[in-house]
Amino acid sequence: DTGVSQDPRHKITKRGQNVTFRCDPISEHNRLYWYRQTLGQGPEFLTYFQNEAQLEKSRLLSDRFSAERPKGSFSTLEIQRTEQGDSAMYLCASSPFVGTLGSPLHFGNGTRLTVT
Amino acid sequence: AQTVTQSQPEMSVQEAETVTLSCTYDTSESNYYLFWYKQPPSRQMILVIRQEAYKQQNATENRFSVNFQKAAKSFSLKISDSQLGDTAMYFCARGSQGNLIFGKGTKLSVKP
Repeated sequence: DTGVSQDPRHKITKRGQNVTFRCDPISEHNRLYWYRQTLGQGPEFLTYFQNEAQLEKSRLLSDRFSAERPKGSFSTLEIQRTEQGDSAMYLCASSPFVGTLGSPLHFGNGTRLTVT
Repeated sequence: AQTVTQSQPEMSVQEAETVTLSCTYDTSESNYYLFWYKQPPSRQMILVIRQEAYKQQNATENRFSVNFQKAAKSFSLKISDSQLGDTAMYFCARGSQGNLIFGKGTKLSVKP
């Protein structure tokens, strides 16, 4: 169990540029989540996948945001035409889905995005 | 809106003492889970303890225990024998199908 891995750890970009983040979940976990955390706030849910299917998206996820999880393994989160308000920590988490509620989420270290 | 509220932005406690962090939540669901997560400075978030809403018995994990009051929608975390390593942000969260809703967090400082 190597844990949830996120890349890059930090990303600085200029407003209007596109950025893409990657998340590698724990290998046997079939659920993968993306959250966004701004300073002084708790994580806000963005979207989650079960295997390759994107099952839920938050209203926070504007049309500039897109997430994919091809083949149900790693996931990417892309932000197009970045805005300064997109500056945040983007957290990925995974969990096993064993047919019951309450499987705990395992979080990665996050990708810190700064939009200048 | 189904929210999670942590009313204490910051707390401090002396090493070896006991501290209680508060959390209230709102939900219309009958079956759900509640969680406390810990986020140490510059480190990843980890699960501290979880509680199934349909269980009356309060969850306990070593020095960590909860006081779950379902009718009041209250879920507080008690840390006994506080250690310096307990210094962190603590987040209360409510979930059902895996989508967790987090509170804003309580910054806990354990002082020697």
